Amino acid sequence: ETGVTQSPTHLIKTRGQQVTLRCSSQSGHNTVSWYQQALGQGPQFIFQYYREEENGRGNFPPRFSGLQFPNYSSELNVNALELDDSALYLCASSSGRGIDEKLFFGSGTQLSVL
Amino acid sequence: GNSVTQMEGPVTLSEEAFLTINCTYTATGYPSLFWYVQYPGEGLQLLLKATKADDKGSNKGFEATYRKETTSFHLEKGSVQVSDSAVYFCALSQYSNYQLIWGAGTKLIIKP
Repeated sequence: ETGVTQSPTHLIKTRGQQVTLRCSSQSGHNTVSWYQQALGQGPQFIFQYYREEENGRGNFPPRFSGLQFPNYSSELNVNALELDDSALYLCASSSGRGIDEKLFFGSGTQLSVL
Repeated sequence: GNSVTQMEGPVTLSEEAFLTINCTYTATGYPSLFWYVQYPGEGLQLLLKATKADDKGSNKGFEATYRKETTSFHLEKGSVQVSDSAVYFCALSQYSNYQLIWGAGTKLIIKP
């Protein structure tokens, strides 16, 4: 059973650029959640996808968007990058969309915006 | 809105000491409560959870009891080991948009 994998592990972009982060879910999981974690803070919920549909969203602007594919892998896209977007981006998969489901996290993508 | 507050770290203890990490919450309704742990170089892992008042979650010698009257979910362990060194996060479920709301995390350092 493979775990949750994220790519790339590190990324450096400049302000105004666009970025795409990728996540492969754990085998058998149909739900993916994305979180942003600033240094020294807890994760902040961006959105959740369940069976290719956005299922819930946190307080992030529309320039944060996502996709979930038929194999349940997922992408997080961020347009018009700002300096404050520098953070660790975490992907988590689960076997159902219920929030009480156990989340399985990847190791994250560290994004630096210069 | 809903929120979680954890005691600030780092918390430094000697091996075999008793551990308490405080967590209090503010929430409408009846959220589930969680402790996640992040070991050095690894992703977040669920440590334990409780889904209703007075429930006790337990795992790997850690325990936490869901106290509605004090809106708390403190993490305890009777005898810590060096391998328990990690960052511990308390979180609650917000059902309206399927998210977990997280505390800022507490770094635990166990010295031999």
